[in-house]
Amino acid sequence: DQQVKQNSPSLSVQEGRISILNCDYTNSMFDYFLWYKKYPAEGPTFLISISSIKDKNEDGRFTVFLNKSAKHLSLHIVPSQPGDSAVYFCAAYDHGSGNTGKLIFGQGTTLQVKP
Amino acid sequence: DVKVTQSSRYLVKRTGEKVFLECVQDMDHENMFWYRQDPGLGLRLIYFSYDVKMKEKGDIPEGYSVSREKKERFSLILESASTNQTSMYLCASRAGGNTEAFFGQGTRLTVV
Repeated sequence: DQQVKQNSPSLSVQEGRISILNCDYTNSMFDYFLWYKKYPAEGPTFLISISSIKDKNEDGRFTVFLNKSAKHLSLHIVPSQPGDSAVYFCAAYDHGSGNTGKLIFGQGTTLQVKP
Repeated sequence: DVKVTQSSRYLVKRTGEKVFLECVQDMDHENMFWYRQDPGLGLRLIYFSYDVKMKEKGDIPEGYSVSREKKERFSLILESASTNQTSMYLCASRAGGNTEAFFGQGTRLTVV
């Protein structure tokens, strides 16, 4: 079962416009969510995170929104730039037993920002 | 800055070979992870470790084993490589609590 789902495999936007990437999760026990960005042939890099006690977190051009009742989060990039073109992964912590914290990832969304 | 280093960027191995992928982190993190990335499937957790000599299976442990003899080093072992293990392998580490994980640059493994 996919506990973290990114249902849109790809997204294309024009430079300067807003990019909205979506993520759904099934486990109501998840309490911390992260977004990663990945370029080809490189490891993912951390972008932004949000705790379940918040509904919004902002860092520069990146904002993450969390809707706990809908088990949904989204990443907004404003304005989008060509250098933002990458694969974006949503992730959530499954703490399970203790504090070990498995990090569960979605399938990823490939964002293309056109000049 | 945290640094997670994987021993190889690219590897080509033959079917049936025993393959070792090494990962070293320099930030004294308790937790280390091995993932594989495949198109359309995202990052899938193979194994993780929360302490020296401790390990837990992830979602797809079959065909793999791991070793963590020292805190900074986490090795992934393919006991007998098969073509369906051709993939991008990613190592990560993180501290405890709600903290981000840091990834290595990845190893592109091709099994022929």
